[in-house]
Amino acid sequence: EADIYQTPRYLVIGTGKKITLECSQTMGHDKMYWYQQDPGMELHLIHYSYGVNSTEKGDLSSESTVSRIRTEHFPLTLESARPSHTSQYLCASSEQEGEQYFGPGTRLTVT
Amino acid sequence: KNQVEQSPQSLIILEGKNCTLQCNYTVSPFSNLRWYKQDTGRGPVSLTIMTFSENTKSNGRYTATLDADTKQSSLHITASQLSDSASYICVVSDRGSTLGRLYFGRGTQLTVWP
Repeated sequence: EADIYQTPRYLVIGTGKKITLECSQTMGHDKMYWYQQDPGMELHLIHYSYGVNSTEKGDLSSESTVSRIRTEHFPLTLESARPSHTSQYLCASSEQEGEQYFGPGTRLTVT
Repeated sequence: KNQVEQSPQSLIILEGKNCTLQCNYTVSPFSNLRWYKQDTGRGPVSLTIMTFSENTKSNGRYTATLDADTKQSSLHITASQLSDSASYICVVSDRGSTLGRLYFGRGTQLTVWP
């Protein structure tokens, strides 16, 4: 099993709250990714990073932001959560041209 | 538009039976195709990966095939077990960007009944 971790696994919060979803990997991978997945739907890339101090927006527009201060850490932040943000968020990492390894995901519910 | 289509959307089989899942894609230029297994509430885990020159790859009871000419792939599961109940996702990578962009299918939800 890949060494990539996400916390919290489940989160229920009220509208307007600021939240940070944590993702860390111990494999020393340069590339990291955040995906959003709704039930029965495909994964959509919302952010990615090539390495420290590198962040890019993905295919799906997202109101979240990310940072990459350390190689192993790639947190995702929502400044003001809304019910439309309710979804599963998956973090992944890979070597430069290699396979992506996924974390267990964070299921977010905004009430 | 690069797309990955999977069928069926869902499938129920009895334990011990075989099944085949289908994936059609339009991603170009093609780099590789992966099949992932995603248990409920978990992240996807890779089962197989195939490049353009490979037309079959096995991983235990899972066998994937690829026809790059028709842009079709299948995943065959032999002697199914209850633990095979999961979503199986077809993922195609393109060769047109340094990111090696991944295109995800919506998955086939497989349920194995005892």
